[in-house]
Amino acid sequence: AQTVTQSQPEMSVQEAETVTLSCTYDTSENNYYLFWYKQPPSRQMILVIRQEAYKQQNATENRFSVNFQKAAKSFSLKISDSQLGDTAMYFCAFTDSNYQLIWGAGTKLIIKP
Amino acid sequence: DTAVSQTPKYLVTQMGNDKSIKCEQNLGHDTMYWYKQDSKKFLKIMFSYNNKELIINETVPNRFSPKSPDKAHLNLHINSLELGDSAVYFCASSQAGTGGLQPQHFGDGTRLSIL
Repeated sequence: AQTVTQSQPEMSVQEAETVTLSCTYDTSENNYYLFWYKQPPSRQMILVIRQEAYKQQNATENRFSVNFQKAAKSFSLKISDSQLGDTAMYFCAFTDSNYQLIWGAGTKLIIKP
Repeated sequence: DTAVSQTPKYLVTQMGNDKSIKCEQNLGHDTMYWYKQDSKKFLKIMFSYNNKELIINETVPNRFSPKSPDKAHLNLHINSLELGDSAVYFCASSQAGTGGLQPQHFGDGTRLSIL
């Protein structure tokens, strides 16, 4: 079965610090896509960053970057210079061969002033 | 410009009632989805339609019936509502057939509360 595991239910850091959210997944497929979504208190679901499994280069999007380790099936999200507006639930997900998203349980991130 | 819009945002109703949630996307996407997010924030896919055809139908009570009049709309009708149906329901859309890279775009969610 394909699964996504986010081992940190909740994290909190001070504003301006760097924080890393972990994600591991299990799949027998070789070609897939990985995503991090953010859900702030407003409840919207916002795409943060995405990564193609066949690309070795880690994706970067402004203050957000990933550490993709394909052999280890690990896809962690690093947020640099964290801001109060980064407070949200963060979901890791990947697409299977049917383009269906397989979701992790989420990590609640709190940025403290 | 709202990309994926779902209405209503909040729905409070009595057990046993029938209700519908509407979803529309103006992105020109081929595929639309319904998710249920429970109180623990876990997202579970319920249905997926591609060009008005059902392609994913997870184990969902048959009280839930999706309807796709055209590829820009995917409505969710729920009969005989139960307490356990209380959740946030998200609609999403994506351009399928492009290798899965295209992300799903989500609506703002509908919070359904059953009294």
